[in-house]
Amino acid sequence: AQTVTQSQPEMSVQEAETVTLSCTYDTSENNYYLFWYKQPPSRQMILVIRQEAYKQQNATENRFSVNFQKAAKSFSLKISDSQLGDTAMYFCAFMKSEEDFGNEKLTFGTGTRLTIIP
Amino acid sequence: GAVVSQHPSWVICKSGTSVKIECRSLDFQATTMFWYRQFPKQSLMLMATSNEGSKATYEQGVEKDKFLINHASLTLSTLTVTSAHPEDSSFYICSGTRGTGELFFGEGSRLTVL
Repeated sequence: AQTVTQSQPEMSVQEAETVTLSCTYDTSENNYYLFWYKQPPSRQMILVIRQEAYKQQNATENRFSVNFQKAAKSFSLKISDSQLGDTAMYFCAFMKSEEDFGNEKLTFGTGTRLTIIP
Repeated sequence: GAVVSQHPSWVICKSGTSVKIECRSLDFQATTMFWYRQFPKQSLMLMATSNEGSKATYEQGVEKDKFLINHASLTLSTLTVTSAHPEDSSFYICSGTRGTGELFFGEGSRLTVL
């Protein structure tokens, strides 16, 4: 079974600053996907970024980037130039390889509540 | 991205009654839908996986007779909480996939059982 750990229950940062959210995971799988999801106060989960484990290059999506360290089983999210709209709960999640497409079971971490301070 | 809609967003019911929550994929056919439960300030716990036209697969510890899941079409799945009790009060979230490795989440439904 997979486990996902987010060791920072809450974080806050000034607007325009950079913040990094940490995530570690444990798995015996070699091929898998890692995700960061955002859950704003409106509650709807939104995909922020996705990383395939077989790719060495870190995924980026505008102001969001990840630092994926496969050997260390670490998957941190960096938010640059943070904005007030980034205030949300952030969940790190794990999914086994694409053989499971059509049955995409996600294992979520416990989340980090991020507050952007004006 | 694709849109998944849940209804109702909020529901309050008396203990012992049953409540149905709908999850619809509005602009895609969801080959599989998932139901999660989220307690305050906690993570999402997968309850069950449903495929259109077949019985749902429940996670360990989830009572299938209490949480009835029906996936009647590729765009609709329902979760019925039967004989609800206060301990069933929670936030329930559904998600759908079209088999591409990405999940699309509904807005969630908050159930309060009095």
